[in-house]
Parts: sequence; C-alpha cells; structure tokens
Amino acid sequence: GQQVMQIPQYQHVQEGEDFTTYCNSSTTLSNIQWYKQRPGGHPVFLIQLVKSGEVKKQKRLTFQFGEAKKNSSLHITATQTTDVGTYFCADRYGNKLVFGAGTILRVKS
Amino acid sequence: GAVVSQHPSRVICKSGTSVKIECRSLDFQATTMFWYRQFPKKSLMLMATSNEGSKATYEQGVEKDKFLINHASLTLSTLTVTSAHPEDSSFYICSASTGAGGYTFGSGTRLTVV
Repeated sequence: GQQVMQIPQYQHVQEGEDFTTYCNSSTTLSNIQWYKQRPGGHPVFLIQLVKSGEVKKQKRLTFQFGEAKKNSSLHITATQTTDVGTYFCADRYGNKLVFGAGTILRVKS
Repeated sequence: GAVVSQHPSRVICKSGTSVKIECRSLDFQATTMFWYRQFPKKSLMLMATSNEGSKATYEQGVEKDKFLINHASLTLSTLTVTSAHPEDSSFYICSASTGAGGYTFGSGTRLTVV
C-alpha cells in the first residue's frame, strides 16, 4: 500500500532557530497535506499541496511539494515555543489519508 | 469552520467490558468518517472508514467484530470497542472531510483498559 516516509523523528531546537521536516514516497503522491498535533491534542489541518513544485507560505511556515510529487517539506523560520508539537504529512489516497510517522518538535527557550 | 465533536475524551474501563465512542459533525453533514488509532508518540493508523447508511470498510488487520462501527445518520458515527482488553488501550480519533480538501479531527478519546 501507499507509504509515506517522514524524517527526522525528533528535533530539538533553540528558540529562534529554523526547523524543517521532510516527507518522501517511492510513488507519486496525489496530494500532500500537513497537520500539527499539539501534545495531548488532536491533529489540526495546516495546508494541502496539489501541484508539482508548489510552494505555499503561512506566516513563518513554508510548505513545498517536489517537482516529481514524490517529496514535500515543511520549514519553520525562527521557531517559537508555540511551535512545539508533532508535525505530520499525509498523502490523500482516494478519500483516505496515509500519514507519515511525524516529526516531534521541541523548542528550548 | 467544520467541527467534529468527540466524546468521551477519556474513559477507563474494566477488561471484558465494551466502550462506545461518539463522533458528531456539528455544522456539516459527514457521509464518511474515519476512525484512527494512535499509540504514544506514534503516527495515526487508519482503522476503518465509516459510511453513512452502509457497512464500514475496515483496514487490513483490524477486527471488525472487535471494533464495531455504526454510522446511522449524516452527523453521527460511533465506534464500540467490544470486550476490551489492556492491549486496546490507546488514543482513538475520528475525522471527517471538510469538503475543502482538508480533514477535521475530533478531540480524541483516551481509552485505558484495566
């Protein structure tokens, strides 16, 4: 079945440093979605990328979809303590979501 | 925005008993809902797709007789964990498509079986 690999598993950064999480697949992704899950909370939809090479920004967050639609990344500029949580990518496969393993972000102030 | 309300948020039950978890779409109709299970610090694993008015579709390896899903209306889907055992302890989350591409998730139910 469809598999989405996500790295790194954990990332601890100093407040103000940048953070990036990467997702990739051996097969072409139909579209990629990104979610954030705060500790003890539930996933919250951040964005969906559909087009090859697409780049979208939300304030300090930059989302990219690879030209071959086999990889995607989420970059956070100048992390803040409010950014802590787990970031998941997910491939929309039919009407289902196949989630990556997630990257746990910890921010030291 | 689209909201999915999930109850209870936490439940502790004895081994051998059954637990029902409810998910309601509050301001939209959800013909399809999805049920996930999440272990600590792990990803979300899709258990089943709940279809209004018809049988749920279970993912490979998920026991349909153990995890009963009912989707009797366009706004309510329920997951019943039958004859629960400690290994069923987990975080269960439902979700529904918002129709705008993304999915909205319930707040989750933390089940502890003692």
